[in-house]
Parts: sequence; C-alpha cells; structure tokens
Amino acid sequence: DQQVKQNSPSLSVQEGRISILNCDYTNSMFDYFLWYKKYPAEGPTFLISISSIKDKNEDGRFTVFLNKSAKHLSLHIVPSQPGDSAVYFCAASETGGSEKLVFGKGTKLTVNP
Amino acid sequence: DGGITQSPKYLFRKEGQNVTLSCEQNLNHDAMYWYRQDPGQGLRLIYYSQIVNDFQKGDIAEGYSVSREKKESFPLTVTSAQKNPTAFYLCASRTGSRTEAFFGQGTRLTVV
Repeated sequence: DQQVKQNSPSLSVQEGRISILNCDYTNSMFDYFLWYKKYPAEGPTFLISISSIKDKNEDGRFTVFLNKSAKHLSLHIVPSQPGDSAVYFCAASETGGSEKLVFGKGTKLTVNP
Repeated sequence: DGGITQSPKYLFRKEGQNVTLSCEQNLNHDAMYWYRQDPGQGLRLIYYSQIVNDFQKGDIAEGYSVSREKKESFPLTVTSAQKNPTAFYLCASRTGSRTEAFFGQGTRLTVV
C-alpha cells in the first residue's frame, strides 16, 4: 500500500509562472518531509524539507507547505525556469525509532520557455 | 570530498546469477538505504539500515539481501529469486531521521 502519493504524473508550466507540485501521505506517524529533484540516470538531489511542527518552509524560489490535518504537502516553485524541468519526488520519514524513508512515484515537471 | 559512491554504473548479468551492487559512503552517516526505480514506479525501498550489523526490510525486499558490517558500506545482493531484477538501483545515506538523505549516482542493472 502506497504511503506517499503523488497523483499527478506530469505538469507543464510556462517559464516565469508558478509550479505547484502536490503530495499526499497516509501514515500519520510521518513527521518529516522532503522534496527531491531528479534527472534521468542520476541520483536525486535534495531540494527542501519541512518538519511537522511547521506549516511552511522557504528557500529561495522553493517553498514547501504542509497541511497536517489533510495529510498533504505541496512544493511551490516561483518563478519557474526551464532548468527546473525534471522529475520531483516527495518523501516522508518517521522519527523516534524507525529511519524508514519512503518516496512517492514522482511528478515530471516541464517548464516551457 | 565526502560523498556516496555506487559501483559499477552499468552492470550486466545472466539470468539465474546472483550479483552484488556496491555502496560506500564517507559521510559518517548512520543510516543507509537501497531503492529501486522502474518507469512509472518512483523509488521503492528495498532495505535500510540504521546502524552497523542491523538492517530492516523495506517494501520490496523479496529476492534481495544486504549486509552492514561496516558503517561505510551497505552492499546489495540481487539474488536469482528476484523475478524482475532489471532496474536502476539507488543507494542513499543520512545522519538521522530529521535530515536529508544523500544519494549515489545509481547502478543500472540489466539481466539478460
């Protein structure tokens, strides 16, 4: 059973506009969330994270929002650039014992010039 | 430079043979992970280890085995029991549960 879900396989946006990538989770024990960017045939690279004690974390053009009651998080990229085109993965982790780190299926973002 | 290294980048094996994928890190991380990526399937967790001499099954552990004899190393063996071993395999490590994981560059395994 998939515990981290990214229901949109792909997203296409225009350069300069906002990209919003969504992620849902089912395990209420998850309390640390991460976003990764991945190019084909390479390892993912870390973008931004958020702890469950926060509802927003911002780093430059990237902002992650967490809605614990809805078990939903989103990644906002503003403004979007062609170099942002990649697959984005959402991941979730439990603290307090298990080090398990679970990923979603990813969303392929295409930013058109 | 600190990092996590997977070798080899490409690996070919005949069906029915066991094969071991290497993962080494010099980041002094306690936790290490193995994932498998297939088209449209995202990153699926095979095994993970929180500490030396201890490891846990992930979501798709059948047909795989691991060892964690040293903090720096977490090799993955793909056994002949794994029904569909051809995939892109990724190794990762991190300090703890509230930190980001760092990934290697991956190993593309093709079984013919």
